[in-house]
Amino acid sequence: NAGVTQTPKFRVLKTGQSMTLLCAQDMNHEYMYWYRQDPGMGLRLIHYSVGEGTTAKGEVPDGYNVSRLKKQNFLLGLESAAPSQTSVYFCASSYSPSRPYGYTFGSGTRLTVV
Amino acid sequence: AQKITQTQPGMFVQEKEAVTLDCTYDTSDPSYGLFWYKQPSSGEMIFLIYQGSYDQQNATEGRYSLNFQKARKSANLVISASQLGDSAMYFCAMREGWGNQGGKLIFGQGTELSVKP
Repeated sequence: NAGVTQTPKFRVLKTGQSMTLLCAQDMNHEYMYWYRQDPGMGLRLIHYSVGEGTTAKGEVPDGYNVSRLKKQNFLLGLESAAPSQTSVYFCASSYSPSRPYGYTFGSGTRLTVV
Repeated sequence: AQKITQTQPGMFVQEKEAVTLDCTYDTSDPSYGLFWYKQPSSGEMIFLIYQGSYDQQNATEGRYSLNFQKARKSANLVISASQLGDSAMYFCAMREGWGNQGGKLIFGQGTELSVKP
């Protein structure tokens, strides 16, 4: 099925470890986004990309890095994980943000940092 | 900066009754889009309804309608004839920026709706 696929779905990290979350879309979307969801705070934008080779900071970028080397993939990296990064991470993509149905979300990655 | 506010952390509604979930927004951009998403306990984000800032009529999608009051900067979601399956977290969101500005979605804090049988 076409859509946004996030890998992995669950992960437990120790403080200080690094990891990369992969977001892959097969819809030829230009725009891609990484959000984190914490209780009572909704979804907050970490980083986003408006096309292959571009990235930009969102609302809460500290502690994260991203890369968009291929149009279909958007990678989110944690260089040195901290307990404050325990969260559910969502990736989304968009062909045209001006359209009502313009955003497609992945199913989320639940990350726990101990 | 643009902002979305949902002031109801949790709400209860009786099955088959209507319920309104509040959302207010703040932006200086004359062109914007407002979205509502449903997030059931399984975690996925489900698009419900959209209202463009220039749309003259309130958006409707089946049992969902959006009460858009532009002057008051509110975009409340109305769910008619609530069903048990409507129990979920609901998020209001606003699109920020166009083109190279990213078309980013800014989310409210969410409202957890519980439908009672």
